[in-house]
Amino acid sequence: GAVVSQHPSWVICKSGTSVKIECRSLDFQATTMFWYRQFPKQSLMLMATSNEGSKATYEQGVEKDKFLINHASLTLSTLTVTSAHPEDSSFYICSARDGGPRKASPLHFGNGTRLTVT
Amino acid sequence: DAKTTQPTSMDCAEGRAANLPCNHSTISGNEYVYWYRQIHSQGPQYIIHGLKNNETNEMASLIITEDRKSSTLILPHATLRDTAVYNCIVRVKTSYDKVIFGPGTSLSVIP
Repeated sequence: GAVVSQHPSWVICKSGTSVKIECRSLDFQATTMFWYRQFPKQSLMLMATSNEGSKATYEQGVEKDKFLINHASLTLSTLTVTSAHPEDSSFYICSARDGGPRKASPLHFGNGTRLTVT
Repeated sequence: DAKTTQPTSMDCAEGRAANLPCNHSTISGNEYVYWYRQIHSQGPQYIIHGLKNNETNEMASLIITEDRKSSTLILPHATLRDTAVYNCIVRVKTSYDKVIFGPGTSLSVIP
């Protein structure tokens, strides 16, 4: 089946530093990837939609200058948390669709990145 | 995308079938029903999807009512590893749709 690889699986950083999270589709091409954030005991919250070769679309309330998204190829999207603060500590998850728009293809998810900002 | 309604939580005895319901009374004709689950501290996992016919794979079965207003995910022989949050989502199949997750059903499989 389709595999989405997310790296790193966990990271600890100091306040004020930046952290980059990578999301790769290993055996398929994904023109669109989605980035989610999840706080303890809450549902996944969509942060942004990452489109290959164009600017990402951010959900309301998500700061685009703080959460930089780059989708430079059909198999790689990155999320950079800039000037991280303790309140950015969360579980970040990416997902991608396998297949073109005429297929009822499901989303496949990475295993998430646990970010802790100290 | 159509909204869905699921029970907040359910228990199931190990080895028994787990039947997870989902109501989607406003589903459109071209919307599919997808099921995902999220085990604690992991990314969501795709389980199964369907349009109007019942579907079965190695993980589960999906039963969709004739009027398509509700569906049931069936885990035929639940194990402790099936303890997770299960999300039912209905959506059209275009590639640019964003997927919004609700709270889902927290299934606890009990020994």
